[in-house]
Amino acid sequence: AQKVTQAQTEISVVEKEDVTLDCVYETRDTTYYLFWYKQPPSGELVFLIRRNSFDEQNEISGRYSWNFQKSTSSFNFTITASQVVDSAVYFCALSRYGRYGGATNKLIFGTGTLLAVQP
Amino acid sequence: DAGVIQSPRHEVTEMGQEVTLRCKPISGHDYLFWYRQTMMRGLELLIYFNNNVPIDDSGMPEDRFSAKMPNASFSTLKIQPSEPRDSAVYFCASRPSGGPDTQYFGPGTRLTVL
Repeated sequence: AQKVTQAQTEISVVEKEDVTLDCVYETRDTTYYLFWYKQPPSGELVFLIRRNSFDEQNEISGRYSWNFQKSTSSFNFTITASQVVDSAVYFCALSRYGRYGGATNKLIFGTGTLLAVQP
Repeated sequence: DAGVIQSPRHEVTEMGQEVTLRCKPISGHDYLFWYRQTMMRGLELLIYFNNNVPIDDSGMPEDRFSAKMPNASFSTLKIQPSEPRDSAVYFCASRPSGGPDTQYFGPGTRLTVL
């Protein structure tokens, strides 16, 4: 069975602090995709990153970085020098690798982590 | 480029009324998804279409829910009759076939059934 666990329900930090959001997944598949989405207070879901299981290279995009470790089934997300605009719920999601390549259409979402960045 | 468009953004209705939620996917995207988000169940996939054809509706909670996609640029999710437990945020998402397969979400419709 596939499962995504985001154990941190809520995190509160002060602006400029670094913060890491944890994501642990379970799957029996050898190939799969992992995603992070952001849901700001306005409610929409914003895609942040997609990573496939055969690419364990970490990724950095501005203040955002992602650490993928297959050995521990984790795909953690770090925000460096957090800002108030980073306040949102962050979701980690898992998808199987489709028969013809690419992610299948069933995304398994974690329960989300509410990040509150205080000024 | 326009993203996924949903309407209305907010809907308040009374139990027993029919509710219709609307979605316009990103142009050129062949897949369309309907999700529901609640505190209790989180984000769950209700149904998805490929080239306007329903592929998997196993997440549709019951017969009161129905979804259609009459053309490539429009889909509806209908609840009839609505019940208070249907109160949730309903998201529509779309993705292209081939190439990047990430799902892109609309802003959601917050439904409140009194």
